[in-house]
Amino acid sequence: AQSVSQHNHHVILSEAASLELGCNYSYGGTVNLFWYVQYPGQHLQLLLKYFSGDPLVKGIKGFEAEFIKSKFSFNLRKPSVQWSDTAEYFCAVSRMDTGGFKTIFGAGTRLFVKA
Amino acid sequence: DTAVSQTPKYLVTQMGNDKSIKCEQNLGHDTMYWYKQDSKKFLKIMFSYNNKELIINETVPNRFSPKSPDKAHLNLHINSLELGDSAVYFCASSPGRSNSPLHFGNGTRLTVT
Repeated sequence: AQSVSQHNHHVILSEAASLELGCNYSYGGTVNLFWYVQYPGQHLQLLLKYFSGDPLVKGIKGFEAEFIKSKFSFNLRKPSVQWSDTAEYFCAVSRMDTGGFKTIFGAGTRLFVKA
Repeated sequence: DTAVSQTPKYLVTQMGNDKSIKCEQNLGHDTMYWYKQDSKKFLKIMFSYNNKELIINETVPNRFSPKSPDKAHLNLHINSLELGDSAVYFCASSPGRSNSPLHFGNGTRLTVT
C-alpha cells in the first residue's frame, strides 16, 4: 500500500545533540515533500518543503532535509537541537489523486529535548 | 489576523448528539480540507473542497457531512456522535497546487462521552 513511513515514533535527545528523523514514502511518480512541526497544544506549521531543484532544502529554525530519490527518502536534520524543539514532527507527501491534490502524513515522531 | 480559524476550540458532547465545527480562511485559497488527528497523533484526511466542490472524500462514515457555502468556508457537521469520533479535527487550506503547503487552523478538540 502507498504510504508515508516515519521510522522513529519517539526520540529523546539532550540539548546540543544532533537530530535526524527518517521518512520514507512509497508513492511512484512526481511527489512533493514536506516536514511539519506541531508544538504542544498548537496546530501544524510548515518547517520546510521540497518540490524540485537542490535536493538539500533548508527550512526555518535551522532545520534541513535531504531528498534522496533512489531511496524514496526525505530525512529531517538539525545539527544542534534546543529545548524549544520539543514537538511532534510530521513528514508529508503531496501528490495528484483522483479529484485533486492530496497530502498524506506519516504517523509523526515525538521529539523530547532535555534541557 | 488569523489565517485559518476554527470554532469552537473545544467541544464536549454526549453520544448520539449532532454537532458542527466551522472553519474560515482569509488567505484567498481555493482548496480547503478537514483532517482528523487521533489520540496517537495520526493525521488522516477526511474531505477536500475546491471552490465549493467536493473533490476528495475518504472512507468516512456518512454521519460526517461537510458543507462549503463559499470557498472561504468549510464546515463539518457530525450526526449521531460516537465515542470513536473523539479526536482533534483540523481544518486546512491551500492554493490547491501540489507544491503548496497546507495552512492549518488551531484545531477543534472533540470529546464524546
